[in-house]
Amino acid sequence: KQEVTQIPAALSVPEGENLVLNCSFTDSAIYNLQWFRQDPGKGLTSLLLIQSSQREQTSGRLNASLDKSSGRSTLYIAASQPGDSATYLCAASPFGSQGNLIFGKGTKLSVKP
Amino acid sequence: DGGITQSPKYLFRKEGQNVTLSCEQNLNHDAMYWYRQDPGQGLRLIYYSQIVNDFQKGDIAEGYSVSREKKESFPLTVTSAQKNPTAFYLCASSIVPTVNTEAFFGQGTRLTVV
Repeated sequence: KQEVTQIPAALSVPEGENLVLNCSFTDSAIYNLQWFRQDPGKGLTSLLLIQSSQREQTSGRLNASLDKSSGRSTLYIAASQPGDSATYLCAASPFGSQGNLIFGKGTKLSVKP
Repeated sequence: DGGITQSPKYLFRKEGQNVTLSCEQNLNHDAMYWYRQDPGQGLRLIYYSQIVNDFQKGDIAEGYSVSREKKESFPLTVTSAQKNPTAFYLCASSIVPTVNTEAFFGQGTRLTVV
C-alpha cells in the first residue's frame, strides 16, 4: 500500500532564504505527484503537478522535482517570504487509484521577517 | 469564477443527528471526492464519484453516505453511525478520474459535535 512521508513536520527560516521541502513515497507506480499549500482553516491550493514521465515543474519561485526510482519529490522555494508561511502537502496518485490521492501529513513552514 | 464551493463553513452536530455537507463545482469536472482531515494526520478518502449516479467507498466510508444526482453536486451526509465525526471535511474534483489530472479543492467545512 502506498505511503507518503514528509520530513520535517515543521520548518522555520528567516525571510529571503532558499529552502527545500521533502516528500517520499513507498511505491513508484504513480500517475503523478501534486504539491499543495494549505493556510490555517482553509482548503488546499494546488501549487504544482508533476506527471510520472516528468522530472520537474516550475511556477514562479517554486520548483518541484520527481525521482520515481528513489521514491522522492522535493519542493524548492526560492527567496522565501513571510507570505509563504503555510502547511505544504504532497500527494501521490497511485496506479489504479482512479484519481484518488494519498497524502503526506505536511510540512508546516514559518518564514520569519 | 470557476471553482468548488463547500457549505456551510462551520457546522455543529448534536449526538445522534445526521448532517449534510454541500459540495458544488462549476468546473465541469467528472470526478468528485470527499476527504477528511484530522490534526496531525494526512487527508483520508471517504467517498469518490467518477460519473453521475455512481460512487465508490474510500478508506473510511463507515458512517458516511453520498449521492451524485448531478454532475456539479456531491453532497456528503454524516450519519449518527459515525462515532467520531469532529473533523475538517474537504471536497475535491478533477477533470476525469484517470491519469495526470490536477485535483482542485474547496475551502472546507469544519464539523463539530456538541
